[in-house]
Amino acid sequence: QKEVEQDPGPLSVPEGAIVSLNCTYSNSAFQYFMWYRQYSRKGPELLMYTYSSGNKEDGRFTAQVDKSSKYISLFIRDSQPSDSATYLCAMRIPGAGSYQLTFGKGTKLSVIP
Amino acid sequence: GAVVSQHPSWVICKSGTSVKIECRSLDFQATTMFWYRQFPKQSLMLMATSNEGSKATYEQGVEKDKFLINHASLTLSTLTVTSAHPEDSSFYICSARSWVELAVHTDTQYFGPGTRLTVL
Repeated sequence: QKEVEQDPGPLSVPEGAIVSLNCTYSNSAFQYFMWYRQYSRKGPELLMYTYSSGNKEDGRFTAQVDKSSKYISLFIRDSQPSDSATYLCAMRIPGAGSYQLTFGKGTKLSVIP
Repeated sequence: GAVVSQHPSWVICKSGTSVKIECRSLDFQATTMFWYRQFPKQSLMLMATSNEGSKATYEQGVEKDKFLINHASLTLSTLTVTSAHPEDSSFYICSARSWVELAVHTDTQYFGPGTRLTVL
């Protein structure tokens, strides 16, 4: 079993839909959780950063963490064609000196006008 | 804030030549920088971690003599692909982390825009 599981998609939704992206993980030592957005041929861009269970909202984006279930989600409201990208979840163990991140494989999202 | 640049954005070279890729943190001091490789439709593969002023730590399976990493200052790291071959063609991405300015930047990795290397 991989440490972080993420459905690669592709996921195609109509403009205006609510998008739900998810990752599960097996290592309970992960305490910091991130979502990155990567456009084609570009580097990943940090979208959300959370370190506790619960919800964190930023504009149209909501990150949700459920540590008891080892499950994290990213919700995108009123999705736009510009949201079409690959979304990577990432997580980190606190106190790990190298500050390495463990990534999911990424979910490719297409928002159709 | 937390901007990371890479240069060049793309490079084409002949087999056997060496290529240097620069990674710079523009508005913060990066105590740790990371180098990744990404193949089409795949996730990021960590190649090495470098701390300013010390030798890089390479991931298993990454040849340190082929992928030379130098992190000589708090704002610059370089990756040199030596004697490049077509199988080295890939998208190389760096990231940087700063623990100094946590009040300004979130304590995580910030990525550069990537460098596409094509070896003929």
